Amino acid sequence: SQQGEEDPQALSIQEGENATMNCSYKTSINNLQWYRQNSGRGLVHLILIRSNEREKHSGRLRVTLDTSKKSSSLLITASRAADTASYFCALNTGGFKTIFGAGTRLFVKA
Amino acid sequence: NAGVMQNPRHLVRRRGQEARLRCSPMKGHSHVYWYRQLPEEGLKFMVYLQKENIIDESGMPKERFSAEFPKEGPSILRIQQVVRGDSAAYFCASSRPPSVRGGRSSTDTQYFGPGTRLTVL
Repeated sequence: SQQGEEDPQALSIQEGENATMNCSYKTSINNLQWYRQNSGRGLVHLILIRSNEREKHSGRLRVTLDTSKKSSSLLITASRAADTASYFCALNTGGFKTIFGAGTRLFVKA
Repeated sequence: NAGVMQNPRHLVRRRGQEARLRCSPMKGHSHVYWYRQLPEEGLKFMVYLQKENIIDESGMPKERFSAEFPKEGPSILRIQQVVRGDSAAYFCASSRPPSVRGGRSSTDTQYFGPGTRLTVL
């Protein structure tokens, strides 16, 4: 399957803790993107990391990519209740199609 | 700078009716993607279009579903003779044209609309 698989499926943490979500895949990729989706809303793009990059930062977000292991991780530091959402990784394997995983549901308790 | 707009936000249809979902891309974006999302699942790619051209419709059911992106006006996803299984959230995304690196093209960042929630009674 080309689809990214997120792990864990669900994650519940206390406010202030760090949250780590992982995405594994089976094919070679051009880039990998992480999106957030609040309940009942559209997706918001977080970070795009290209296949020749290993790490990217954006505010409290850190994304790593290990192409040898075919995996990526999204780290949210000092989590807030407002970070409660579903997080999806999306693969671009070349061409025009982006394949989304099933997502990790993050719940941050205040 | 308006983002991607979709309408209607909610659509209720009875079995056998037609559903028309509209998507206006961000200003300056000429590429549109449609996705379907079932509850508690990720997005499933349906179709990718640029103005007046369908680029990839490999995710679209062969029957009852069609999409267009005319030269003027929004992109339309049309579902004929809807069935209960069509109930889902349908998201549209737009982007600039794909970039080409090392001879390989790849999609640029996609910006998503708020979605249309279709309920088939």
